[in-house]
Amino acid sequence: GIQVEQSPPDLILQEGANSTLRCNFSDSVNNLQWFHQNPWGQLINLFYIPSGTKQNGRLSATTVATERYSLLYISSSQTTDSGVYFCAVDPYNAGNNRKLIWGLGTSLAVNP
Amino acid sequence: DTEVTQTPKHLVMGMTNKKSLKCEQHMGHRAMYWYKQKAKKPPELMFVYSYEKLSINESVPSRFSPECPNSSLLNLHLHALQPEDSALYLCASSQDFPGGGTEAFFGQGTRLTVV
Repeated sequence: GIQVEQSPPDLILQEGANSTLRCNFSDSVNNLQWFHQNPWGQLINLFYIPSGTKQNGRLSATTVATERYSLLYISSSQTTDSGVYFCAVDPYNAGNNRKLIWGLGTSLAVNP
Repeated sequence: DTEVTQTPKHLVMGMTNKKSLKCEQHMGHRAMYWYKQKAKKPPELMFVYSYEKLSINESVPSRFSPECPNSSLLNLHLHALQPEDSALYLCASSQDFPGGGTEAFFGQGTRLTVV
């Protein structure tokens, strides 16, 4: 089945720094989502981005479907950005099984 | 703010107890999901309901029993759990239409401890 790999696994930043998180996937996808899981466990939707580029405030994401990767950019990081960032994909040709395949996440700590 | 609401937020139960987790969404979504998440791991799919019918059971032990009373509600009934079932249980919903509608929205989760 499809493999989803995220890098780096861990990241430590000083407040105000910029960062790029990467998600590689091994096969075509219908859908790709980026989530932020905060320290209290809530999974927050960041982007639904099967292809192209989207921006939301200090965050932006780009998915290059033909090359099977997606990037999440965080600019001017804040301590509230700390947590785990997950990439999850809905594989193409998976029928209607509605099963997202998840990466292992990038654990981000932003220090004041 | 999340539009998927889970109750309770925290639950401690004994191995002989029966309890239920509840999930509600008002986004008009027709697919609802239960996930289990252990520390430092991604969420793991347990069940999927599509149009109020169980469409996926990921070989979950029978001590977990899902129920979808209507298109807005999803329950997870728990009975005779084991300590290793302690985890964060997440509910999610998405639209459900041919060829798409898989953008998932998650609730805040129920942190379950089995003693």
